[in-house]
Parts: sequence; structure tokens; C-alpha cells
Amino acid sequence: ILNVEQSPQSLHVQEGDSTNFTCSFPSSNFYALHWYRWETAKSPEALFVMTLNGDEKKKGRISATLNTKEGYSYLYIKGSQPEDSATYLCAFRSVANTGNQFYFGTGTSLTVIP
Amino acid sequence: DAGITQSPRHKVTETGTPVTLRCHQTENHRYMYWYRQDPGHGLRLIHYSYGVKDTDKGEVSDGYSVSRSKTEDFLLTLESATSSQTSVYFCAISEPGANQPQHFGDGTRLSIL
Repeated sequence: ILNVEQSPQSLHVQEGDSTNFTCSFPSSNFYALHWYRWETAKSPEALFVMTLNGDEKKKGRISATLNTKEGYSYLYIKGSQPEDSATYLCAFRSVANTGNQFYFGTGTSLTVIP
Repeated sequence: DAGITQSPRHKVTETGTPVTLRCHQTENHRYMYWYRQDPGHGLRLIHYSYGVKDTDKGEVSDGYSVSRSKTEDFLLTLESATSSQTSVYFCAISEPGANQPQHFGDGTRLSIL
């Protein structure tokens, strides 16, 4: 079992604020790091997949960075909107088991207050 | 949305009864996964399959078995359900490769009384 940690556990921000949260994972045997967005009563949806140290991905107001050497990824949301309210999950994949398994963190729950 | 159907969507049953959950995909993806989601634990892998008749255990496999007799179907069986197996179960599919994300079904809410 690999340890994937996300912080903070939950976050409340005002509409228009920018925010960020962290995913920490083992710094060895890196294969890939995935971010998912999970709205209440729905299923997780893929946001980003990152495979190279230094990767930066962006989708609208949401972006992510990756540091495989130190074992962390940041997710940034610029100008948060109420529709951004969701739980954001990261998942780490290791070459140690051919990358087949996804190890999920417990997520960061974001609430954007109008 | 990826073509993933989980059935049933909700089930209530009694301790000691067998339960089978079905995941059906129309995407012809190679990998299929079963997770359980519990408060404070996020998504935990039960079993996964990397091809027809090829399966492997995840971190919480005790009390569960799986079968995959054809590409599109992945069955999760609780041989004798216990109250600790009350949870929301998600099926996911993916293709091989680091850049391939998982796509999730809508979940099955299972209550064992």
C-alpha cells in the first residue's frame, strides 16, 4: 500500500478567490499522477494526467504542476466559482506494480461561497 | 460519458447473503477496477482485471471475489456479506499507458443489515 496524502482535507473560499491544494506521493518509482474532480452524487471525472517532472497542465481556470523528485503536485484554481465546489482527488501510479494500480488520496473538499 | 453501467445502483441485503455487483462497459477497455468508497478513506481498490480471466487483488480484497469472462463485464461478488462491507462501490475502466485516466461508473450503494 502506497501513501498518498492530500491537504487540506477541506477548504471554504469566497467566490472570486484563488486557491490551491497539495497531493503528496512517494518520490520513487513514479509512473503517473492523475487529478480527478468529484461532484456530489456523481462519479469522479478526470482532470489532468501528468507523467513528467515539471509538467504543467491547464484547463480553463484550473491548473496543476508536478514535482516527481520531491513527490508532490499542486492543483490551482484561479477566481473560484460556485460550480468549482467539489472534491478533488489525486491518484498516484507506480512502476513498481507496472502502473496498473491507482492509489488515491482521500481528497480535498472545496466549497466556494457565493 | 464513458459507456460504463453498474447494476444494481442500490441494494439492501442481510448479513450472510451472497451479493454480486455487475460492471458493464461498451468501450472495449482492457483494464477494469472495483473500488469501495468510505468516509475518511477515499477510494480503495478491491480487485482489478487486466484482461479476460486475468485479475489481481487490491488493498482491500478480503471477503471479495471477482470474475471477468468477457471484455465488457467485470463482476464483484461478496460470498457472505458482512455489515463492514456496507459501502458505495465504484467500477472504473482504463486503457494501458501512463497517460490513460480511469473512467468511472455511477456507483452502487450497498447496505448490509
